[in-house]
Amino acid sequence: ILNVEQSPQSLHVQEGDSTNFTCSFPSSNFYALHWYRWETAKSPEALFVMTLNGDEKKKGRISATLNTKEGYSYLYIKGSQPEDSATYLCAFTGNQFYFGTGTSLTVIP
Amino acid sequence: GAGVSQSPRYKVAKRGQDVALRCDPISGHVSLFWYQQALGQGPEFLTYFQNEAQLDKSGLPSDRFFAERPEGSVSTLKIQRTQQEDSAVYLCASSFLQALNTEAFFGQGTRLTVV
Repeated sequence: ILNVEQSPQSLHVQEGDSTNFTCSFPSSNFYALHWYRWETAKSPEALFVMTLNGDEKKKGRISATLNTKEGYSYLYIKGSQPEDSATYLCAFTGNQFYFGTGTSLTVIP
Repeated sequence: GAGVSQSPRYKVAKRGQDVALRCDPISGHVSLFWYQQALGQGPEFLTYFQNEAQLDKSGLPSDRFFAERPEGSVSTLKIQRTQQEDSAVYLCASSFLQALNTEAFFGQGTRLTVV
């Protein structure tokens, strides 16, 4: 069993604040690191897939970085909005997807 | 629709009852995954298909769980003699390529409650 850890488990921020959270994964046998955004009662939605050490990806106000040597990825949200409220899941892939338990983000208007 | 479709969305089963959960992946997607998400946990791997071949079923928690994808498209996850600990959201995901460095597309899940 591969251990993928996310922190913090939950986060409450004020609208307009920037925030970030962490995904830690095994640094050996790395294939790809995925970030998903999961709103209640909806399907998890892919945000980023990163494969190379040092990768940085950006989509609007959300960005992510990847360090495969030390086994972590950061997800950043700039200027949080209430619609950013969701659970953010990371998944490490070797021969299957191994998910973390997610970070639940609540943005308070 | 163009996305992954799962049915039913909600299922309440009496303990001991058999259930069948269906996943319609995106047309042409080679890889199909089933995950189980218990309350407060992240999704946990159950099984993986590449076309009709079940390449990995190591995550199935017991022999009461069975999955099939006979024609390489629709998949069914069957749970026999359901127990309360089977209560969870069952997620299906599909991916176009065999490689896992492409994104997977998820269905909305089936929430199973065993009473």
